[in-house]
Amino acid sequence: QVQLLQSGAEVKRPGASVRVSCKASGYALDSYGISWVRQAPGQGLEWMAWINAENGDTKYLDKFQDRLTLTTHTATRTAYMELRSLRSDDTAVYFCARDSLGGYDLFDYWGQGTLITVSS
Amino acid sequence: DVVMTQSPLSLSVTLGQSASISCRSSQSLVYSDGQTYLNWFHQRPGQPPRRLIYKVSNRASGVPARFSASGSGTDFTLKISRVEAEDVGVFYCMQGTHWPPTFGPGTKVDIK
Repeated sequence: QVQLLQSGAEVKRPGASVRVSCKASGYALDSYGISWVRQAPGQGLEWMAWINAENGDTKYLDKFQDRLTLTTHTATRTAYMELRSLRSDDTAVYFCARDSLGGYDLFDYWGQGTLITVSS
Repeated sequence: DVVMTQSPLSLSVTLGQSASISCRSSQSLVYSDGQTYLNWFHQRPGQPPRRLIYKVSNRASGVPARFSASGSGTDFTLKISRVEAEDVGVFYCMQGTHWPPTFGPGTKVDIK
């Protein structure tokens, strides 16, 4: 069955970087895209970015354009999200979700979420 | 960006009764291919969202038939007939027609 397994919770200092992994099983990673969505404590869902896992094309929300990088490693079926220059308002649960190669319309399977806490 | 609004934002329902959630978009969600990329998700506390409905009215795999959805253009509705205890949580609509994809604020459902 399709599963997305994310890396564990992390605590980071302001200004640091974090990399969250999302390992896919039950399907071929490079036949789909991956979107990343975050949820601040007690808040709603915010789409952040998307990657086409077949050709590496990416699309980032403007507010993250200069400090977010998505990558995939097909051999290990793993997608990665790296967020740099962390701020306290980046504290959130980060989800990966399977998306289409064209983007933004699938979201049929989600990872369990990774809590990133940014605190001094 | 397309703004998604939902109403009500909070809903208290008696077990076995029906519930309806409205979702409106600031622009038509009909894409150039003729499809309307409007999804509904359900999120229980401490869990990731679960896709319930895709492209306005198509139930996702494993979703009970008591969930139905309809709509067109800018107005969409999710209906739950015979609410069960497992339906508590927050329901979100999300559009994928226009970049960037955007979510509604969520409708929190609890049991009376």
